[in-house]
Amino acid sequence: QVPLQESGPRLVKPSETLSLTCSVSGVFISDHYWSWIRQSPGKGLEWIGHIYYDGTTNYNPSLKSRVAISIDTSKNQFSLNLSSVTAADTAVYYCVGAPNEYYFDYWGQGPLVTVSS
Amino acid sequence: EVVLTQSPATLSLSPGERATLSCRASQSVYTCLAWYQLKPGQSPRLLIYQASTRATGIPARFSGSGSGTDFTLTISSLEPDDFAVYYCQQCANRPPATFGGGTKVEIK
Repeated sequence: QVPLQESGPRLVKPSETLSLTCSVSGVFISDHYWSWIRQSPGKGLEWIGHIYYDGTTNYNPSLKSRVAISIDTSKNQFSLNLSSVTAADTAVYYCVGAPNEYYFDYWGQGPLVTVSS
Repeated sequence: EVVLTQSPATLSLSPGERATLSCRASQSVYTCLAWYQLKPGQSPRLLIYQASTRATGIPARFSGSGSGTDFTLTISSLEPDDFAVYYCQQCANRPPATFGGGTKVEIK
């Protein structure tokens, strides 16, 4: 297993930006794809987007206007910013890694992030 | 966007029984399909990729089959640790990668 650890606020106010960082250990951040996937309460899994170590990104079209994923290879970290959040963005947010862009091998613990005033 | 429909929503079985889970895609995903196991309080675990290849460390009682639009995950003999929710995921038509709604395998 590859340890992935998410960090960031667990409570975000409506209209603000949700920010999470994932720290990667045990593998080189290069040569892997790094994704964010979420699961809203009582619902299924939703892929948010991914970043490759060279900075290339790909986002879910349904969230593209609000999402930015970045990477800091020197710190072995990648981050998620989701802007203009609403209650519908309340979810467990997983950081995920894989050696390819097709499947999802390594998962973080997934903190619950709640959007509420 | 490819829609994945999993059935049944819930499967009630006893340990030792065979579990057969279905995943149907709204269009062909060839064999670009994976299965994940999710237990309460834990992170999802990749079980099967490329429709039928077991991920590292996955027991042989888990097997995947299918291609095109119809896929099956079979657990040959349920162990107590196997009671969980299972999701399929397609990677053929991206973005986005999409997941099915899940099948809960519960103890009868």
